[in-house]
Amino acid sequence: GAVVSQHPSWVICKSGTSVKIECRSLDFQATTMFWYRQFPKQSLMLMATSNEGSKATYEQGVEKDKFLINHASLTLSTLTVTSAHPEDSSFYICSAPMGQGRNQPQHFGDGTRLSIL
Amino acid sequence: GENVEQHPSTLSVQEGDSAVIKCTYSDSASNYFPWYKQELGKRPQLIIDIRSNVGEKKDQRIAVTLNKTAKHFSLHITETQPEDSAVYFCAASGENNDMRFGAGTRLTVKP
Repeated sequence: GAVVSQHPSWVICKSGTSVKIECRSLDFQATTMFWYRQFPKQSLMLMATSNEGSKATYEQGVEKDKFLINHASLTLSTLTVTSAHPEDSSFYICSAPMGQGRNQPQHFGDGTRLSIL
Repeated sequence: GENVEQHPSTLSVQEGDSAVIKCTYSDSASNYFPWYKQELGKRPQLIIDIRSNVGEKKDQRIAVTLNKTAKHFSLHITETQPEDSAVYFCAASGENNDMRFGAGTRLTVKP
């Protein structure tokens, strides 16, 4: 069964809307979670590292004011796409390492398909 | 930062044949190398991984090799089956568990 739960799975909304995506670790704690974006037929691009109790670490080229990340607890990270526009339409997916320490396998959520009209 | 390159982008094989996908990475500090299988519209599924202190790992029909000196690693699938058809991604990860993915290989196994 799923060890990382992501909601919603599909969002369609108007341009200018802000959209919040939740990523929860089930039955384990995750001090770190990761957010990826995947365009059709492309790879997963790391957007940011979500850190529980501190600021997220953003990859180069990712606007932190556009993609707000909050890691409010050891089992929940949220990504808010603010004032979304059609170019933000993509598949957003989160992951969490299963264990503590380095070199941990990542488990992915089911992803959120965001479509901005 | 880390840069992962993956080849080929598409691979078509006959059922029963072997498939090989190769990746290179740039950051010598990377020490964890997983492979993921992703079916259309679904999340990536971990199929095998290897750490830098190991040169080869096998799990039934799937094997992965790692050459840390040359900074490349490969996925080998033997006796391919139609259900192996999917997109496969290699990745490299460092101490912070932040993974960088290759561009992906679309594998088609023809019955």
